[in-house]
Amino acid sequence: SQKIEQNSEALNIQEGKTATLTCNYTNYSPAYLQWYRQDPGRGPVFLLLIRENEKEKRKERLKVTFDTTLKQSLFHITASQPADSATYLCAPPYGQNFVFGPGTRLSVLP
Amino acid sequence: DTGVSQDPRHKITKRGQNVTFRCDPISEHNRLYWYRQTLGQGPEFLTYFQNEAQLEKSRLLSDRFSAERPKGSFSTLEIQRTEQGDSAMYLCASTNFIGGTGELFFGEGSRLTVL
Repeated sequence: SQKIEQNSEALNIQEGKTATLTCNYTNYSPAYLQWYRQDPGRGPVFLLLIRENEKEKRKERLKVTFDTTLKQSLFHITASQPADSATYLCAPPYGQNFVFGPGTRLSVLP
Repeated sequence: DTGVSQDPRHKITKRGQNVTFRCDPISEHNRLYWYRQTLGQGPEFLTYFQNEAQLEKSRLLSDRFSAERPKGSFSTLEIQRTEQGDSAMYLCASTNFIGGTGELFFGEGSRLTVL
């Protein structure tokens, strides 16, 4: 069955640095992949979608890459701020629904 | 505000009782999903509707769980004979699934605690 892994349960970085989060998937090949942000006690919020024919996608300080050979997506936040502290989830589709990874909890320290 | 709304936000119940959650999706969205999320985990797919038709249910979903979406509008998720293992956040999301993709718009969730 399909499996989604995210690099680490928690990641602490200093304000101003670039945060890099990893999403690896196995046993299938999604045509695209989404990233969501989730704050404690809230529902996830959509951030970016990247398709298999796109190597890179940017939105303000966010950048996502998608390597279908490695079966991996990288999510970068540049010039990180304490307000970026949250859990970030990757979600490739599987059939007609979406499979969410366990998430990486990012803490940006002032 | 025309986002996805869920009710109730919190529910505490005793084991063995039935509970029902309601989700009002964004009105023009044709798809509605239910997910369950426990602490430290990502959302786990339960079921989804295309308009009023329930098209897929997770194999993990026991017979105690049932969902409806009458007339393709709001949806309800009922859990019968609740167990302590049902304690979780139940999330509803809607989308217009067009061209094979669709970003999910989530509600704030209904947190269930089974004592």
